[in-house]
Amino acid sequence: AQSVTQLGSHVSVSEGALVLLRCNYSSSVPPYLFWYVQYPNQGLQLLLKYTSAATLVKGINGFEAEFKKSETSFHLTKPSAHMSDAAEYFCAVSPRDDKIIFGKGTRLHILP
Amino acid sequence: GAVVSQHPSWVICKSGTSVKIECRSLDFQATTMFWYRQFPKQSLMLMATSNEGSKATYEQGVEKDKFLINHASLTLSTLTVTSAHPEDSSFYICSARDLGGPSPYEQYFGPGTRLTVT
Repeated sequence: AQSVTQLGSHVSVSEGALVLLRCNYSSSVPPYLFWYVQYPNQGLQLLLKYTSAATLVKGINGFEAEFKKSETSFHLTKPSAHMSDAAEYFCAVSPRDDKIIFGKGTRLHILP
Repeated sequence: GAVVSQHPSWVICKSGTSVKIECRSLDFQATTMFWYRQFPKQSLMLMATSNEGSKATYEQGVEKDKFLINHASLTLSTLTVTSAHPEDSSFYICSARDLGGPSPYEQYFGPGTRLTVT
């Protein structure tokens, strides 16, 4: 069975500081992995995706994530936080051609 | 490309009435559509999966007679909440997938519909 664990329901970082949102997954088959961002009362926007190509994936808005099979992790990072990054972030796993399983989400707060 | 729309974006209805939410894929053919429900400050919960022309497959615990899903065409799926009650108030999000497209594993999400039942 597939599952996703996001460590930390809330993360606070100062503007300009490194953003690190943690995600660990469990999958019985090589997975596809995703990070989505959700702003209040809006749908989900895809930040980036891993589909078994390069392990370091670059996404939109300066975000990137690294797939580490040995650690079953897919952490999301951004070198310098911006106030507009404040939102809810969801990590998700898909066992290919099947449903997407979402983590519980991490609320990112940016401190001025 | 790969835009999904939902209508309405928000709706208020009285308890006991039914409300229909539309999900459309604007620039691709959605072979599969998904309906999610999201409670405040929580993650998305998959309600059902529908393939065009077939009956929807509901997740365990989702009442199929209460949440009617129709996927009559490759660009439109509808979710009808029948005999709505205040506990049905939630944010409903649809997504669509094109199994014949360049990214068959990817789901494209709509902007969501806020349902409030009074």
